[in-house]
Amino acid sequence: NAGVTQTPKFQVLKTGQSMTLQCAQDMNHNSMYWYRQDPGMGLRLIYYSASEGTTDKGEVPNGYNVSRLNKREFSLRLESAAPSQTSVYFCASEIGREGGYTFGSGTRLTVV
Amino acid sequence: KNEVEQSPQNLTAQEGEFITINCSYSVGISALHWLQQHPGGGIVSLFMLSSGKKKHGRLIATINIQEKHSSLHITASHPRDSAVYICAVRSNTGNQFYFGTGTSLTVIP
Repeated sequence: NAGVTQTPKFQVLKTGQSMTLQCAQDMNHNSMYWYRQDPGMGLRLIYYSASEGTTDKGEVPNGYNVSRLNKREFSLRLESAAPSQTSVYFCASEIGREGGYTFGSGTRLTVV
Repeated sequence: KNEVEQSPQNLTAQEGEFITINCSYSVGISALHWLQQHPGGGIVSLFMLSSGKKKHGRLIATINIQEKHSSLHITASHPRDSAVYICAVRSNTGNQFYFGTGTSLTVIP
């Protein structure tokens, strides 16, 4: 089992460019999450999907969109990247409220 | 406001020392997680607790629900334990997780 796979691992974008961060899990988990991690701050929730076909905003959703394509995949899209979106992005999944939590290896995004 | 507070922020220990990292939270929770993040690396879930105590190898996690406090202990610390340890709580209302800012641990040989 690969667990949670995120791509790409690193990305540099110019301001205004768009990109999609991909996340896939092979553990048949119901819930999936996108977080960003910035220096001196805890992980902050961008969007989450409690089950296939549903998505909800987290703490910092502005500037992002998500798609829960199927049970395995949950993508995060930046339509028009801004320097404030420079961060490390983590995808995570869990089978349910009582299950364990699994993180991807992260995507380090720099917007110049 | 920070729903989750960790202490200390930074910790340096000699190899072999007993280490304690503390986590206090202010919201009602259904579970508390301890996570480990190595420099430049991904995040690994160490424990999920809703009551009492759990042990895995040299790591022990405890939680006191009444006091809204949890501790992570590392016995016989080793340089490979050097990492950032993050406390996270799941709110008992909805799907919200709250994360501490982490404790950076360095174990010196």
